[in-house]
Amino acid sequence: DGGITQSPKYLFRKEGQNVTLSCEQNLNHDAMYWYRQDPGQGLRLIYYSQIVNDFQKGDIAEGYSVSREKKESFPLTVTSAQKNPTAFYLCAEHLKVTQYFGPGTRLTVL
Amino acid sequence: GQQVMQIPQYQHVQEGEDFTTYCNSSTTLSNIQWYKQRPGGHPVFLIQLVKSGEVKKQKRLTFQFGEAKKNSSLHITATQTTDVGTYFCAGRSSNTGKLIFGQGTTLQVKP
Repeated sequence: DGGITQSPKYLFRKEGQNVTLSCEQNLNHDAMYWYRQDPGQGLRLIYYSQIVNDFQKGDIAEGYSVSREKKESFPLTVTSAQKNPTAFYLCAEHLKVTQYFGPGTRLTVL
Repeated sequence: GQQVMQIPQYQHVQEGEDFTTYCNSSTTLSNIQWYKQRPGGHPVFLIQLVKSGEVKKQKRLTFQFGEAKKNSSLHITATQTTDVGTYFCAGRSSNTGKLIFGQGTTLQVKP
């Protein structure tokens, strides 16, 4: 794998609370991505960042926010505006032709 | 918008049987990648195909990229229980450069 970590592995939150998912990489790569995975729907792109202090919306950015203040960190905040936040969230970094995924965070909103 | 459709969604096979999953894009792709996700795990890169009509093999796995660069397939010969998981294709759009994932095919292998 490409040296990308996500924490925690499992996260539980009450409805209406914002929650921030961590994503860290130690290989000095520029491009980082956040995906959401739901059963039977594959991977859907939430946000991506090609460079520090810059990021772009993906296909399903509503209800999410990100920051890229440091090259090695790309945290994702799931806000209370996200209507169906329970899902498996995957962070990825891009190296040459390949995307390397972190282990993922399974978020459950109760 | 551009879509990458993958079929079937699920496949159950007896150990030793062959397995194939197919991907079709609504538009031309510059390349296509394949990933495998084990149960409870994260997607892991398997291979990338770039050329029209390209065929690549990894042991029992054979990957093909269509002549029109709009479809691809992954074929596993003589499946083993270690092949269990979800296989995703991901096509990179020739127009936008975006990587679009198919819905995945989940393979179950009965010993």
